[in-house]
Amino acid sequence: EVQLVDSGGGLVQPGGSLRLSCAASGFTFTTYAMSWVRQAPGEGLEWVSAISPGGVSIYYADSVKGRFTISRDNSKNTLYLQMHSLRAEDTAIYYCAKHGMGKHFDNWGQGTLVTVSS
Amino acid sequence: QSVLTQPPSASGTPGQRVTISCSGSSSNIVSNSLNWYQQLPGTAPKLLIYSNNQRPSGVPDRFSGSKSGTSASLAISGLQSEDEADYYCSAWDDSLDGYVFGPGTKVTVL
Repeated sequence: EVQLVDSGGGLVQPGGSLRLSCAASGFTFTTYAMSWVRQAPGEGLEWVSAISPGGVSIYYADSVKGRFTISRDNSKNTLYLQMHSLRAEDTAIYYCAKHGMGKHFDNWGQGTLVTVSS
Repeated sequence: QSVLTQPPSASGTPGQRVTISCSGSSSNIVSNSLNWYQQLPGTAPKLLIYSNNQRPSGVPDRFSGSKSGTSASLAISGLQSEDEADYYCSAWDDSLDGYVFGPGTKVTVL
């Protein structure tokens, strides 16, 4: 059974940094691309970033480009999102998502809440 | 403003058929697969339809998807109370080099 466990969220001041983690199990992690998707309180889904299986190809939404860095450690079956220069508008639940054999997300983590506030 | 557009709400009585539309452009819906996600209250999203009209295992055949040109739709036939949720369409966008989501449609079972 595929399991994705998101962690690392919390309260951070504007301008601060935070690193999210997603521990994966139940599938061959090195075979699949992964993404982060976020959801602000009461709002819809917003894709944040994606990384290819080997970590060579990386994509970001314009809203986080230059501030967030996605990475993966295939030896630890773990996906990361390093977030810098956080703003109030980054407040959201952050979900990691496993890509299927196509451009869709077939499994999602439970989400971790990031709150940016002074 | 979302790149993909959806109606904010849809509703029906138990047993009815409900359809949700998703409109996009040549850079997303036309040139890439369209996917649908269901988000029950307080839970993570779940893949409902992928590659325009494919159901993952475990998704009831009451849910179906279609795509034509710059539009797609999700149909729920035989509406049930447990179908009350938010539904999001999504696709890769070649111009943005990223995934885009519609704003979501809240389905209410009357």
